[in-house]
Amino acid sequence: DGGITQSPKYLFRKEGQNVTLSCEQNLNHDAMYWYRQDPGQGLRLIYYSQIVNDFQKGDIAEGYSVSREKKESFPLTVTSAQKNPTAFYLCASSFDRARDQPQHFGDGTRLSIL
Amino acid sequence: KQEVTQIPAALSVPEGENLVLNCSFTDSAIYNLQWFRQDPGKGLTSLLLIQSSQREQTSGRLNASLDKSSGRSTLYIAASQPGDSATYLCAVSTSGTYKYIFGTGTRLKVLA
Repeated sequence: DGGITQSPKYLFRKEGQNVTLSCEQNLNHDAMYWYRQDPGQGLRLIYYSQIVNDFQKGDIAEGYSVSREKKESFPLTVTSAQKNPTAFYLCASSFDRARDQPQHFGDGTRLSIL
Repeated sequence: KQEVTQIPAALSVPEGENLVLNCSFTDSAIYNLQWFRQDPGKGLTSLLLIQSSQREQTSGRLNASLDKSSGRSTLYIAASQPGDSATYLCAVSTSGTYKYIFGTGTRLKVLA
């Protein structure tokens, strides 16, 4: 079955620590996205990538970093510079012509501070 | 700056009722609009995508309409069932970008 796999499901971060969230897709999608969801709020775009080795900042990129070395993978690192990292993180993907195609989402990673 | 609003924030209805969820956006220069469903603690599932040139899309008991000039979309759910209980989000894609702007969602509860 094709889909998007996010891991881990739950993640805890200590003060000053960087943590990396994994996102893998086997849908052969070109574009991938990272969103953050806070309680009672809509999703906010952190980073997106349209092709391998290229990515763009979204609306709230500060304190986060990404890489896109493979088409299937788009890991997100939450750095110690992100002072309020507690949130639900969602990864999505779509075909390159994203405007014509729906976005597919993973099941999310819930990040909390220890 | 594009803003997306969904009203109401929460809705409870008895099983079998037809219902309408609303989504409004401030900038009519959109490329498409998507309706999603989110179950608690889960990701989003795409329900319907309406391109800017379309007026509506249908899938089973769901019908989504789009009125770009007034900045509105509605999601109509016919004969609601308890399994429809979830949060429904709409998102708009602004022309010329790959970015979606999301509303805060409507939390729907269908009572058996």
